[in-house]
Amino acid sequence: QVQLVQSGPEVKQPGASVKVSCKASGYSFANFDITWVRQVPGQGLEWMGRISPNTGNRKYIERVQDRLTLTTDTSRTTAYLELRSLTSDDTAVYYCARGRSLNWFDPWGQGTLVTVSS
Amino acid sequence: QSALTQPASVSGSPGQSITISCTGTSNDFGDSDYVSWYQQHPGEAPKVVISDVSNRPSGVSNRFSGSKSGNTASLTISGLQPEDEADYFCSSYTSTNTVVFGGGTKLTVL
Repeated sequence: QVQLVQSGPEVKQPGASVKVSCKASGYSFANFDITWVRQVPGQGLEWMGRISPNTGNRKYIERVQDRLTLTTDTSRTTAYLELRSLTSDDTAVYYCARGRSLNWFDPWGQGTLVTVSS
Repeated sequence: QSALTQPASVSGSPGQSITISCTGTSNDFGDSDYVSWYQQHPGEAPKVVISDVSNRPSGVSNRFSGSKSGNTASLTISGLQPEDEADYFCSSYTSTNTVVFGGGTKLTVL
């Protein structure tokens, strides 16, 4: 079945970087965008960006675009999110999801909790 | 980009129908019908229940329906069941080629 499996929880100090992976299986990885969404515990969802594994085209949300890099490795059918210069505001669960069209995403990965704390 | 506006909470009794609204600007909704709705149970990832304003993805109950008028989208759940109790988020593809989510609505089944 179509599945996205993410890497485990991370604890980082302020100013550090984090890289979260998202391993896809059960479908042709190159044919669907991967979108990343984050959720501060107990709060709403925030779309961060998307990447096309086929073309490498990316779109980021403006407020993190200077700290965010999305990449894919088609040989490993894996997408990656790297976020740099972390602050406590970046503490959240980070989700990857397969883009079915420009706006709907299915399935989602299980989420990766990133905690930024000194 | 500010979040789309949703009521913080709604409630209903089993068997009843409820509607959750999602309001934005013309820039939030763009010129398209790219509005979707997600259900999220505690501790789980979101799951799509409505795509492209009113389409139900495979496997989603026909008790879920969606609509849009102007800059307000709506999700209706009919015949409420206890398992419908969850958080619901709307989302839209925007005029700047990004995606914006609503703040979320907590549905309580009384």
